[in-house]
Amino acid sequence: GAVVSQHPSRVICKSGTSVKIECRSLDFQATTMFWYRQFPKQSLMLMATSNEGSKATYEQGVEKDKFLINHASLTLSTLTVTSAHPEDSSFYICSAPRALAPETQYFGPGTRLLVL
Amino acid sequence: DAKTTQPTSMDCAEGRAANLPCNHSTISGNEYVYWYRQIHSQGPQYIIHGLKNNETNEMASLIITEDRKSSTLILPHATLRDTAVYYCIVRAPYNQGGKLIFGQGTELSVKP
Repeated sequence: GAVVSQHPSRVICKSGTSVKIECRSLDFQATTMFWYRQFPKQSLMLMATSNEGSKATYEQGVEKDKFLINHASLTLSTLTVTSAHPEDSSFYICSAPRALAPETQYFGPGTRLLVL
Repeated sequence: DAKTTQPTSMDCAEGRAANLPCNHSTISGNEYVYWYRQIHSQGPQYIIHGLKNNETNEMASLIITEDRKSSTLILPHATLRDTAVYYCIVRAPYNQGGKLIFGQGTELSVKP
């Protein structure tokens, strides 16, 4: 079946540093990928839509200069949390619909970010 | 996207059917009903989706009322591994810009 992977699965960093999270579709192409954030005991919040070959579109209230998204190929999207602060500590999850069957959207396992 | 209403939590005995309700009274004609679940500290897992007909797959059945204002996800023989948060989401077709917007979901606890 379709698989979406994320790397790293867990990262701890110091305040002020930048962290890059990768999202890969392993056996299908994805022209679009979605990035979500989830705080403890809360639901997933959609942050942005990553579009291959063009700029990402961000949901209202999400700082595009804070969360840089690059979708360089049909199987890879990256989310960079710039100048991370403790309040950015969260569970970041990506998802991707198959290009040929987009109604089913597959999610990655998530990346847990802890900013000290 | 239309909003959904789900019970905050439910319990189910292992081996019994788990019936998870969802209200979506403002659903539009082109919006699908999706169900995902999230086991603790993992990414959401797709379960099933439907437009107006009942649907069944190897994981679950989806029953949508005739007026489409509510639906029920049925796990026919719940196991302990089905303990998770279940999300009911209504969404326009992907090619019409539909996005998966998650509500609070139902926390299902399957007990021995």
